[in-house]
Amino acid sequence: EAQVTQNPRYLITVTGKKLTVTCSQNMNHEYMSWYRQDPGLGLRQIYYSMNVEVTDKGDVPEGYKVSRKEKRNFPLILESPSPNQTSLYFCASSLRGRITEAFFGQGTRLTVV
Amino acid sequence: DQQVKQNSPSLSVQEGRISILNCDYTNSMFDYFLWYKKYPAEGPTFLISISSIKDKNEDGRFTVFLNKSAKHLSLHIVPSQPGDSAVYFCAHPGSNYKLTFGKGTLLTVNP
Repeated sequence: EAQVTQNPRYLITVTGKKLTVTCSQNMNHEYMSWYRQDPGLGLRQIYYSMNVEVTDKGDVPEGYKVSRKEKRNFPLILESPSPNQTSLYFCASSLRGRITEAFFGQGTRLTVV
Repeated sequence: DQQVKQNSPSLSVQEGRISILNCDYTNSMFDYFLWYKKYPAEGPTFLISISSIKDKNEDGRFTVFLNKSAKHLSLHIVPSQPGDSAVYFCAHPGSNYKLTFGKGTLLTVNP
């Protein structure tokens, strides 16, 4: 089954404690990205990757890091989480090509206290 | 500055009636749009798309209309069903494959 898998689904952490949200896709997609969803703001792109070892900032990259060492995996790293990073996070992947649909993971609900 | 705007945060319709969700965009060069549907506790899923070479695209109960002169698109759901209750996002795929989303419209279909 084609899917994008994120882990964990839910996470509560404390300010400053480094964490990683994993994302894996099994569709051999070249393009992957991370979004955050906040009330009244819709979905905003954090980082994206066009292929292995190729990553770039999206609209709201501050406080986040990513890496793309393998085609299937695209982890999101919060080196020092802060309460304003409390949000719902989605990983997405798509074939290379701007008009192809994106497949989204089920989301990670992060709370930073 | 929002490039893709959904001005109605919510919409409520009766089962069997038509649901019309609207989206406006600012850049007349935008040539492709997608609609995504999102249920609570799930990721968005692709619903339907439209290219600017068309003014209409239909898939079953879902039809998207594009009015390029007004920079407006709309998603019609006919007939609406309770299972259609979800948040609907319009999106534009820009440079670097980034999807720019509207803020979403919560559709509630009442039995």
